[in-house]
Amino acid sequence: AQSVTQPDIHITVSEGASLELRCNYSYGATPYLFWYVQSPGQGLQLLLKYFSGDTLVQGIKGFEAEFKRSQSSFNLRKPSVHWSDAAEYFCAVVSRDNYGQNFVFGPGTRLSVLP
Amino acid sequence: GAVVSQHPSWVICKSGTSVKIECRSLDFQATTMFWYRQFPKQSLMLMATSNEGSKATYEQGVEKDKFLINHASLTLSTLTVTSAHPEDSSFYICSARGGSGDNEQFFGPGTRLTVL
Repeated sequence: AQSVTQPDIHITVSEGASLELRCNYSYGATPYLFWYVQSPGQGLQLLLKYFSGDTLVQGIKGFEAEFKRSQSSFNLRKPSVHWSDAAEYFCAVVSRDNYGQNFVFGPGTRLSVLP
Repeated sequence: GAVVSQHPSWVICKSGTSVKIECRSLDFQATTMFWYRQFPKQSLMLMATSNEGSKATYEQGVEKDKFLINHASLTLSTLTVTSAHPEDSSFYICSARGGSGDNEQFFGPGTRLTVL
């Protein structure tokens, strides 16, 4: 069965520190990969996505993610966290094979930022 | 980027009443729209997929008679929660996908439903 895991339910970092949020997927073939951020009571905002090509993807707000096929991972990173980055982060995948396929979301990682 | 709106952003209703939530793609034609439900501190769970002009496809465990979905045009889908009960209280998010070659979905801001 297709699945997405985010091993860390909650992460706390200090402002200015680096950040890495983990995402692993289980799929028959490499899917399309996405990272979304959700602030409390808000909808989802796309941070970045991977379809093909360079495995290091740059996104908005200084985020980047690296696709590693051998590890079935798509971890999100930021070199220096800002207090405004505190939010819920979701990794999501979509099958390449069927345009009708819906997104499968990971359980989310809540990020807290200490001043 | 493409914009998806939802209306209302929040709604409070009495138990037993029906509530309609609208999802609109503002600057593109959405061939497919999706409805998700999100409980507090949980991830999004897909409820149903709707294609313009056809019946929605519901995920297992979602009552189609309770959650009525209509996708009558390429820019509008509606979700009607019929005979709402407190357990239907949740955050409902729609997304829309156009006819382009990638699988990106554009998400609405969500609707907070509280059933008293």
